[in-house]
Amino acid sequence: AQSVTQLGSHVSVSEGALVLLRCNYSSSVPPYLFWYVQYPNQGLQLLLKYTTGATLVKGINGFEAEFKKSETSFHLTKPSAHMSDAAEYFCAVESGAGSYQLTFGKGTKLSVIP
Amino acid sequence: SAVISQKPSRDICQRGTSLTIQCQVDSQVTMMFWYRQQPGQSLTLIATANQGSEATYESGFVIDKFPISRPNLTFSTLTVSNLSPEDSSIYLCSGSGTSGGSYEQYFGPGTRLTVT
Repeated sequence: AQSVTQLGSHVSVSEGALVLLRCNYSSSVPPYLFWYVQYPNQGLQLLLKYTTGATLVKGINGFEAEFKKSETSFHLTKPSAHMSDAAEYFCAVESGAGSYQLTFGKGTKLSVIP
Repeated sequence: SAVISQKPSRDICQRGTSLTIQCQVDSQVTMMFWYRQQPGQSLTLIATANQGSEATYESGFVIDKFPISRPNLTFSTLTVSNLSPEDSSIYLCSGSGTSGGSYEQYFGPGTRLTVT
């Protein structure tokens, strides 16, 4: 069965600093991977996804993530944090076999310090 | 992509009553899902809403407590029955499998339920 581990339930960065949110997955098949963001009192918004092809994927709001099969990782980065990036971030893996189900990590709350 | 709306956005209900949440998608989706998200927690899948047939429930969730309907490819409802304070949570619906066959899920804004 697929699983997702997000290291660090809470990450704090200074405004303008690098954002790095870690995600490791386990999957018995080539995975489809996703990052979602949830702002307070809102639903989840898709940031970016990896399905096939280029392993470095770019998303909205300046975020990107790199799929590293050898490390079973899909870490999310942004070169320069902005106050508006403060939110909860969820990594997810598609459960395989075309089920469309996603398995979510426990989430990482990002705080941005002015 | 798909835009998903939910009604109501929030409600306060008394113990023992039921709440029905509606989920509307602006385009046809293959799959629809219902999640529960407790404060500060990740998402827990309740069930997959199947069009024209009974929903598929995850372990720990039963049809009597969480009846689900999906009459067509753009609409679903979740009822939370016989409410108790433990049901206080955010309930999210999502849709997946829009035209183009992508696997990402699109989420509604959620329904915040408080049971008193």
